[in-house]
Amino acid sequence: DIQMTQSPPSVTASVGDRVNITCRASQGISWWLAWYQQKPGKAPKLLIYAASSLQSGVPSRFSGSGSGADFTLTISNLQPDDVATYYCQQANIFPWTFGPGTKVEIK
Amino acid sequence: QVQLQESGPGLVKPSETLSLTCAVSGVSISSNNWWSWFRQSPDQGLEWIGDIFHSGGTNYNPSLKSRVTISVDRSKSHFSLNLTSVTAADTAVYYCAKSVDAMDWYFDLWGRGTVVIVSS
Repeated sequence: DIQMTQSPPSVTASVGDRVNITCRASQGISWWLAWYQQKPGKAPKLLIYAASSLQSGVPSRFSGSGSGADFTLTISNLQPDDVATYYCQQANIFPWTFGPGTKVEIK
Repeated sequence: QVQLQESGPGLVKPSETLSLTCAVSGVSISSNNWWSWFRQSPDQGLEWIGDIFHSGGTNYNPSLKSRVTISVDRSKSHFSLNLTSVTAADTAVYYCAKSVDAMDWYFDLWGRGTVVIVSS
């Protein structure tokens, strides 16, 4: 299976800050990567697919970049509503696997 | 309104079979995408269990393949998960979800999730 790692495990930032979350795959996955946001007690929500494509309805302060094995999710202008845990998921090779998550909190 | 809704027992005894159903509404279950099951636990994180196409084709996670069956009932617009010989390690929140399309396994619609506890 492809192993997904994320860093940092958690981040605390101020409203308006820029937050970067990194995801690394154990082997190259081209651009077959998605990012999800999950709030407590809720299902994951698709934010970014194909590494950098913004899902419909998702605020433009969310962006994704990277290819191969290294990817980044950027939240520019952090908002209180962005408090959540963020997961990456590879969609290149079965079985689909997820990172362990990065928890984003507000100072 | 497009939505998925999981249903099934919240408590299952060890060695028995976990059975869940996902009701699909607002979108055709015969549309060009995969219907998937996931689970999430503090120990295992988010885990893909498997999926099914409306024609009946399936994919399963090898780690669970020997115990999993996913089926679809187009007439009732729902798909189902059976997981046999459960243990405490199968305790989790179970989600059903829809892939973006038949070739892209990104998941753009999720159910609210249902908690399943395995205990005697």
